[in-house]
Amino acid sequence: DAKTTQPNSMESNEEEPVHLPCNHSTISGTDYIHWYRQLPSQGPEYVIHGLTSNVNNRMASLAIAEDRKSSTLILHRATLRDAAVYYCILRYSGSSNTGKLIFGQGTTLQVKP
Amino acid sequence: NAGVTQTPKFQVLKTGQSMTLQCAQDMNHNSMYWYRQDPGMGLRLIYYSASEGTTDKGEVPNGYNVSRLNKREFSLRLESAAPSQTSVYFCASSEWSVATNEKLFFGSGTQLSVL
Repeated sequence: DAKTTQPNSMESNEEEPVHLPCNHSTISGTDYIHWYRQLPSQGPEYVIHGLTSNVNNRMASLAIAEDRKSSTLILHRATLRDAAVYYCILRYSGSSNTGKLIFGQGTTLQVKP
Repeated sequence: NAGVTQTPKFQVLKTGQSMTLQCAQDMNHNSMYWYRQDPGMGLRLIYYSASEGTTDKGEVPNGYNVSRLNKREFSLRLESAAPSQTSVYFCASSEWSVATNEKLFFGSGTQLSVL
């Protein structure tokens, strides 16, 4: 499985944008980039995923580098509720179930009021 | 809509005791997973089941067994608990589609302590 590299921790101020980076230099052409987050004392929850183009949803935006070797999760206005561990994961895009996701240690985001 | 339900939420065992963690999902998903999370660490995959009747080992299967009882339920059994199995256990389910690329839904976890 291709690996991802994320900073261990980041800080942000409330109501400011946050850019969470992820490096995945060994990504293959069939790997999707998934982001999950884990709030304190909860199970992980899906945030967003993409393949080549930038993606937006109600939670966040995902910016993918043209060579796909890195990506950035963007929270447009951080709130205190966004304090969590954010995981960047690569997932094979095929329909056969290799759907298991391998989590790294993620980035712990602290949001200051 | 309950999603993924895990029981129990908390459990304390003595070394050598056995127990089964239960997981059920009501989303009609084919795939189900068991992860463990040690303090300050990311999640590690123990076992997964691509469909009813099939199970496969993940990253850390030693000391565990699983049963995919039916499409809804996927249980994790510790036959002889060890202190190294103290962890938080998460169950998840998913269904592949072009749109979701197999988004996982997680339960709220079972906190297990082995003394």
